[in-house]
Amino acid sequence: NAGVTQTPKFQVLKTGQSMTLQCAQDMNHEYMSWYRQDPGMGLRLIHYSVGAGITDQGEVPNGYNVSRSTTEDFPLRLLSAAPSQTSVYFCASSYSGLTTSTDTQYFGPGTRLTVL
Amino acid sequence: GQQLNQSPQSMFIQEGEDVSMNCTSSSIFNTWLWYKQDPGEGPVLLIALYKAGELTSNGRLTAQFGITRKDSFLNISASIPSDVGIYFCAGQDDYKLSFGAGTTVTVRA
Repeated sequence: NAGVTQTPKFQVLKTGQSMTLQCAQDMNHEYMSWYRQDPGMGLRLIHYSVGAGITDQGEVPNGYNVSRSTTEDFPLRLLSAAPSQTSVYFCASSYSGLTTSTDTQYFGPGTRLTVL
Repeated sequence: GQQLNQSPQSMFIQEGEDVSMNCTSSSIFNTWLWYKQDPGEGPVLLIALYKAGELTSNGRLTAQFGITRKDSFLNISASIPSDVGIYFCAGQDDYKLSFGAGTTVTVRA
């Protein structure tokens, strides 16, 4: 049981480049989400998914795309990277989206992205 | 996104002290959560609160879901050095989490 894994750990992009941040979980969790964390701020929700084939926008979705073709994987795509997307990106998963008291949530270790 | 005000921004602890922090919002949430984040790692969920007025403990941690559903507090009793880190509150509404800016807890020299 590896929990939530994210790759890569670090990435440097040039403005305009595209890339995909990978996130995978092996706990059969239905709910997965992506956040970005900027210095001195809390996490902000980018996109989330309540199950395979279902995604929805969070607070800051512009410039990012997601898809959920399997329960295990939830990749985040940057279509055309901008310096404003320099941040630390975290993926998280939970069984039911923390809608019941028996659920819990796990975060991955993060991807540190710099856009030049 | 919804605005959560978390205070204090930072605090210094001495081993053995009790410390508390709180979070307020202009909006109602169905769930309040508290996380701890260590440097270079992802947040770890400490406590989840699902009902207004609920008081929940996890070891030396105690958190309460405010009756108005617009606030929550976290207490740490008898603090120890490994309590240092950044603590975040979060409110959830319809699968969406909104986070506070965090309280940085540091050991007093």
